[in-house]
Amino acid sequence: DQQVKQNSPSLSVQEGRISILNCDYTNSMFDYFLWYKKYPAEGPTFLISISSIKDKNEDGRFTVFLNKSAKHLSLHIVPSQPGDSAVYFCAASPKTSYDKVIFGPGTSLSVIP
Amino acid sequence: DSGVTQTPKHLITATGQRVTLRCSPRSGDLSVYWYQQSLDQGLQFLIHYYNGEERAKGNILERFSAQQFPDLHSELNLSSLELGDSALYFCASGGYNEQFFGPGTRLTVL
Repeated sequence: DQQVKQNSPSLSVQEGRISILNCDYTNSMFDYFLWYKKYPAEGPTFLISISSIKDKNEDGRFTVFLNKSAKHLSLHIVPSQPGDSAVYFCAASPKTSYDKVIFGPGTSLSVIP
Repeated sequence: DSGVTQTPKHLITATGQRVTLRCSPRSGDLSVYWYQQSLDQGLQFLIHYYNGEERAKGNILERFSAQQFPDLHSELNLSSLELGDSALYFCASGGYNEQFFGPGTRLTVL
């Protein structure tokens, strides 16, 4: 039973445009949400996070939006750059055990020059 | 460079064997998390240690065990290996709000 879902395995975007990566979750106990980026042959790297008390968090070109009622979050990258091409993982932590981070299957983003 | 080291990078072994994966956290971090990434799947949380004590357990098989030593490095032991155990194994340190991942160990079971 997949508690964190990323229904788009891949996404292609033109350089300079907006990339929108989506994530849905099923567990209402999730309280903290994160996005990680992964390049081939490397470990994931932390990108941005959001607590359930907020609905938006911004860091430079990256913005995460959280819709708790829909159990949905999204990552916006504006403008997209070729170096953003990577696999993006959505992750969530339950308030009952914050350290038990649950990752989604990932979305592979390709930014075309 | 995340500061987290994992050895070995690659491991090829046969079914039924036992292997040990090693992880050293970033300097100053007391936590070690272990994850398994199988083909086309996300990272599956296995186990979390904090300063030598087990803090949280995920979908870790009984054939797998881990420990964290006084110098804070951690080892993940996989025994009675099956073909389905072939995967990338990552360790991470830090906290739930930001984890720093090592480069991973690719395990191939033949």
